[in-house]
Amino acid sequence: EAGVAQSPRYKIIEKRQSVAFWCNPISGHATLYWYQQILGQGPKLLIQFQNNGVVDDSQLPKDRFSAERLKGVDSTLKIQPAKLEDSAVYLCASTSSWKGYTEAFFGQGTRLTVV
Amino acid sequence: KQEVTQIPAALSVPEGENLVLNCSFTDSAIYNLQWFRQDPGKGLTSLLLIQSSQREQTSGRLNASLDKSSGRSTLYIAASQPGDSATYLCAASSGSRLTFGEGTQLTVNP
Repeated sequence: EAGVAQSPRYKIIEKRQSVAFWCNPISGHATLYWYQQILGQGPKLLIQFQNNGVVDDSQLPKDRFSAERLKGVDSTLKIQPAKLEDSAVYLCASTSSWKGYTEAFFGQGTRLTVV
Repeated sequence: KQEVTQIPAALSVPEGENLVLNCSFTDSAIYNLQWFRQDPGKGLTSLLLIQSSQREQTSGRLNASLDKSSGRSTLYIAASQPGDSATYLCAASSGSRLTFGEGTQLTVNP
């Protein structure tokens, strides 16, 4: 089966610019996650979707970050305006169950550098 | 709030050695615990998933154990190889959230 697809793989932007990342989860997976991983740290959850509804966005900096999952499939994560501290790898993951009983699969990530 | 800790942060071993990576979590009400491997510049690859009702899982040279009562999991790697060099992350699933540790950076020297 195809894995979780993310694009772009790399992005370099200047601070105060905007950027968007795209994720296509494994077919049939209802739950989609966006994580932020700063160099040397473990991934931190930004937002979790169940189908096209938000389950958990408590750690999403809503003043600059936004995410949507149209039709319960693909998702986009946007940052506007970007700050230097947003430099990180943004990981998308999907599971078939929002309860956490099942295995989480991750994409290759998008490495963002803000200069 | 679930907190996950991994010890050691970094480990360097000679090829062929057996090794243990440790993971501890504060909230024992977990659905499962998952071990991942991350190569530099890459995403996370799932290695093993242990359901809360299980004690251990094995895949090839890898064996992961889970002790919910003590809030601990270990990843045992037998006969380590240079290709095992990577960062290993554990993640505890509780509620609807997957919480990660900071990872253990493993280097296996030829």
